[in-house]
Amino acid sequence: SQTIHQWPATLVQPVGSPLSLECTVEGTSNPNLYWYRQAAGRGLQLLFYSIGIGQISSEVPQNLSASRPQDRQFILSSKKLLLSDSGFYLCASGREINSPLHFGNGTRLTVT
Amino acid sequence: KQEVTQIPAALSVPEGENLVLNCSFTDSAIYNLQWFRQDPGKGLTSLLLIQSSQREQTSGRLNASLDKSSGRSTLYIAASQPGDSATYLCAVISQTGFQKLVFGTGTRLLVSP
Repeated sequence: SQTIHQWPATLVQPVGSPLSLECTVEGTSNPNLYWYRQAAGRGLQLLFYSIGIGQISSEVPQNLSASRPQDRQFILSSKKLLLSDSGFYLCASGREINSPLHFGNGTRLTVT
Repeated sequence: KQEVTQIPAALSVPEGENLVLNCSFTDSAIYNLQWFRQDPGKGLTSLLLIQSSQREQTSGRLNASLDKSSGRSTLYIAASQPGDSATYLCAVISQTGFQKLVFGTGTRLLVSP
């Protein structure tokens, strides 16, 4: 089965600093990869998804970007963090349409 | 645009009770519906996936049903235990647009010993 590795688990960054969150997947190849954000008291918001290396789609305009340099590596970045970027970031991986989505343990980002 | 709603937002029950969590969605053109569990500060764990052609799925004490035409799903938990305490989320994959999961905001369940 798939295993999703995310790091770091927690991160405290000042406003205006850069960000890089990494996600790697084990146990599958050519997965669809996703970045979700979960803000306090709100549902999961899809930020980016990728169906292959170098193929990134953005769901909402924002201060973040994503890259997929390798088949099982997905990176979330920002050049300058905003207070509103605080939240719980989750990476997910999926294969066929009717197979479960697998999630990492998330990164808690606090922008101060 | 697909919207997913979960009721109730929070639920507190004594150990041993059977309980039902509700999920509704606005667009019935879906590929599947998935139920997840989220423990505090953790990622999501997939519990059950019901394909659009199916009516229900069972795993242990969990049973999920799907009524696609009415846009509803229920998650039934039998003989609840304190270890069941978590947030339960449902999500659907719509047939329109990219095949992404749209999540509800979850039901926070507390089972007291």
